[in-house]
Amino acid sequence: AQSVSQHNHHVILSEAASLELGCNYSYGGTVNLFWYVQYPGQHLQLLLKYFSGDPLVKGIKGFEAEFIKSKFSFNLRKPSVQWSDTAEYFCAVNALIRGKLIFGQGTELSVKP
Amino acid sequence: SAVISQKPSRDICQRGTSLTIQCQVDSQVTMMFWYRQQPGQSLTLIATANQGSEATYESGFVIDKFPISRPNLTFSTLTVSNMSPEDSSIYLCSVTSGGAGETQYFGPGTRLLVL
Repeated sequence: AQSVSQHNHHVILSEAASLELGCNYSYGGTVNLFWYVQYPGQHLQLLLKYFSGDPLVKGIKGFEAEFIKSKFSFNLRKPSVQWSDTAEYFCAVNALIRGKLIFGQGTELSVKP
Repeated sequence: SAVISQKPSRDICQRGTSLTIQCQVDSQVTMMFWYRQQPGQSLTLIATANQGSEATYESGFVIDKFPISRPNLTFSTLTVSNMSPEDSSIYLCSVTSGGAGETQYFGPGTRLLVL
């Protein structure tokens, strides 16, 4: 069955540290890839997405993600985190043949000021 | 992106009762979805709400427990029937203006506690 794995359940960083959150999926066909973010008390928001083209995609607030097809990965990165990046981050994959969005377990990021 | 609202935002219900959650979008959308997010877990798709036809349910979810309506292109409801404490979750609707693989935008969610 199709699945999405996020390696880190809780990440704690100090401000200005670099961030990389791992995401791997198990489907071998064509996929659309997403990262969503949920700030405390807010609803789920789209951070960035990859459909095709340049595998390095840039999103809002300085985030970027790289699609590596051979590794079935779509890791999220940010060179320097801020306290306001404290949130839960979800990786999601849509296997186009099924048209269903599958979410990873989520990674809670805590940034210490 | 579309602006999505849900009612109620939260509720506390007694076991055995039912609750209907509304999802309203400020523009016409092609597809609407209902998700459940149980405490400490990720989002799980319950069903796809189809306009003018019955909803398409995912494995583990049935129409008798989670009846869904979608009378038009901007509105849908999800009912959680005969509730038990295990139904305590956040229920979210999402929409897309494109096909099934397109970006989904999420509502604020309904936080349900069943006693």
